[in-house]
Amino acid sequence: GAVVSQHPSRVICKSGTSVKIECRSLDFQATTMFWYRQFPKQSLMLMATSNEGSKATYEQGVEKDKFLINHASLTLSTLTVTSAHPEDSSFYICSARGGLSEAFFGQGTRLTVV
Amino acid sequence: GQNIDQPTEMTATEGAIVQINCTYQTSGFNGLFWYQQHAGEAPTFLSYNVLDGLEEKGRFSSFLSRSKGYSYLLLKELQMKDSASYLCAVKGSGNQFYFGTGTSLTVIP
Repeated sequence: GAVVSQHPSRVICKSGTSVKIECRSLDFQATTMFWYRQFPKQSLMLMATSNEGSKATYEQGVEKDKFLINHASLTLSTLTVTSAHPEDSSFYICSARGGLSEAFFGQGTRLTVV
Repeated sequence: GQNIDQPTEMTATEGAIVQINCTYQTSGFNGLFWYQQHAGEAPTFLSYNVLDGLEEKGRFSSFLSRSKGYSYLLLKELQMKDSASYLCAVKGSGNQFYFGTGTSLTVIP
């Protein structure tokens, strides 16, 4: 299957700082990328959908000014958590979809805000 | 809104067969997916149904009934390594993926 690389896999940051997470499709062009958040023992919650070159579409309840998404190219999308707080600590996962029906997932980023 | 339901937990014996059900009510439908997720890892793709019926893939099979908003994942010849969470996901009209709550499967000897 296709490969999606997410970086970093783990990050610890201080409260009030910003963190950027990168999601790259390595061997295909991702026309659409999805960002999810997953709290312990819960399922994946879709945060936003981004299409290359256009603004991301955020799900209800997700603050677009806090979770900045950029999808500048067909192989790269970034999620920036701005002014992070301890309650933002979670597992963030991206997935990317090209021309295929299924979406391929990155490895996930464990964010801990202290 | 999107509503996708699965049982929270299931336990089954090694070598047996287990069926994990998923019911959904979504504003659009472009396919139903099953993923396996081990703790702390990203989900991995298992199966995809867009038409009614059964799709078989080795030890895993998935069934879909669009009229009933219902799917199941069937795992045969269970192995200990099958202990994981199984996520049902619906692709909506905007091609977003919406996930169910996940079913934590424990395989016992």
